[in-house]
Amino acid sequence: AQSVTQLDSQVPVFEEAPVELRCNYSSSVSVYLFWYVQYPNQGLQLLLKYLSGSTLVKGINGFEAEFNKSQTSFHLRKPSVHISDTAEYFCAFGSSNTGKLIFGQGTTLQVKP
Amino acid sequence: DTGVSQDPRHKITKRGQNVTFRCDPISEHNRLYWYRQTLGQGPEFLTYFQNEAQLEKSRLLSDRFSAERPKGSFSTLEIQRTEQGDSAMYLCASSNRDSIDYEQYFGPGTRLTVT
Repeated sequence: AQSVTQLDSQVPVFEEAPVELRCNYSSSVSVYLFWYVQYPNQGLQLLLKYLSGSTLVKGINGFEAEFNKSQTSFHLRKPSVHISDTAEYFCAFGSSNTGKLIFGQGTTLQVKP
Repeated sequence: DTGVSQDPRHKITKRGQNVTFRCDPISEHNRLYWYRQTLGQGPEFLTYFQNEAQLEKSRLLSDRFSAERPKGSFSTLEIQRTEQGDSAMYLCASSNRDSIDYEQYFGPGTRLTVT
């Protein structure tokens, strides 16, 4: 069965520090992976996606993620966070047939001044 | 294009009442998805349409739930005889099956509170 696990429910970090949000997936078929961000009382916004090709993917707002097939991971990183990055972050696996997304439980990024 | 819109944004209802939510996708998108998100959890897939055909339903979608997408444009999600456990954010997303980027565009969601 396909599944996504986000290893940290909350990540507190000081402003301008680097951050890594961890995501592991389980799948026996082609992998399409996504990171979405959700600000309070809003829908989800795509940060970045991995479909194929280069394993290092760059997204919006300075975020990047690395696809690691051997470790079945897709961790999200940012070298220097801002207060405005405080939000809920979701890793998701996409079905190549239907396009439906399977989400992880989410990680709350709390950026402190 | 203004993106995916959902109506209403908030709905408070009493247990046992029926509710209906509407989603208007991006106009050229032929796929439409419904997800449910409870507090502190990631969104869970409910169902999806390709044009007007409902192609997959999650086992989360009990008999009290029904979704339609007449004419392959907007979609409605109806919950009959609501229960307190139905309280959640209901998210709609759309995509273009013919697009190679597999990206889904999400609406702002409808927050349902069942009292």
